[in-house]
Amino acid sequence: ETGVTQSPTHLIKTRGQQVTLRCSSQSGHNTVSWYQQALGQGPQFIFQYYREEENGRGNFPPRFSGLQFPNYSSELNVNALELDDSALYLCASSLFPGLGTLGNEQFFGPGTRLTVL
Amino acid sequence: KQEVTQIPAALSVPEGENLVLNCSFTDSAIYNLQWFRQDPGKGLTSLLLIQSSQREQTSGRLNASLDKSSGRSTLYIAASQPGDSATYLCAVGHRGMNNNDMRFGAGTRLTVKP
Repeated sequence: ETGVTQSPTHLIKTRGQQVTLRCSSQSGHNTVSWYQQALGQGPQFIFQYYREEENGRGNFPPRFSGLQFPNYSSELNVNALELDDSALYLCASSLFPGLGTLGNEQFFGPGTRLTVL
Repeated sequence: KQEVTQIPAALSVPEGENLVLNCSFTDSAIYNLQWFRQDPGKGLTSLLLIQSSQREQTSGRLNASLDKSSGRSTLYIAASQPGDSATYLCAVGHRGMNNNDMRFGAGTRLTVKP
């Protein structure tokens, strides 16, 4: 069984640039969620993708966007980078529960550390 | 709005001690509660998942309990070891439009001294 992988591990960008982060979900999982974790804080939910569509979004502006591919891997794109976007970006995969069933366990990747200068 | 709080923010104990980490949440309409471990600069490792219908889960030296009515969960670590040093995060799966939207606490930073 392959775990969740993310690339790249580290990235340095300047303000105003655009960035793409990638995530491969764990084998057998069909749902990918993205989180932003600032230093010293808990992760904050950005959005989730299921069946190649956004399935819920946290309090993040539209310049944060994503994609999910038929193999369930996912991308997070951030446009017009700001200094406050500097954080650890975490991807989590899970099985999307059916209607009325319980939420499923989420498995996280190692994260991408983004630094915006 | 679901708020998750973890107390204490940091904890230092000598090796061998039993300890309890606390997590509280404001909205009891949750799907589940999950405890994670995070080493510095790394991703999250899932420790225990408790479904909303369960009261506790155990794995090795770890035991997590859930009391939905009072909005509380505890993570009990028995016979702590220096290798247990890490930040421990709790997260609740919130019963909202997106049932995989997890709300995290800020974590408890645990140091176990040899």
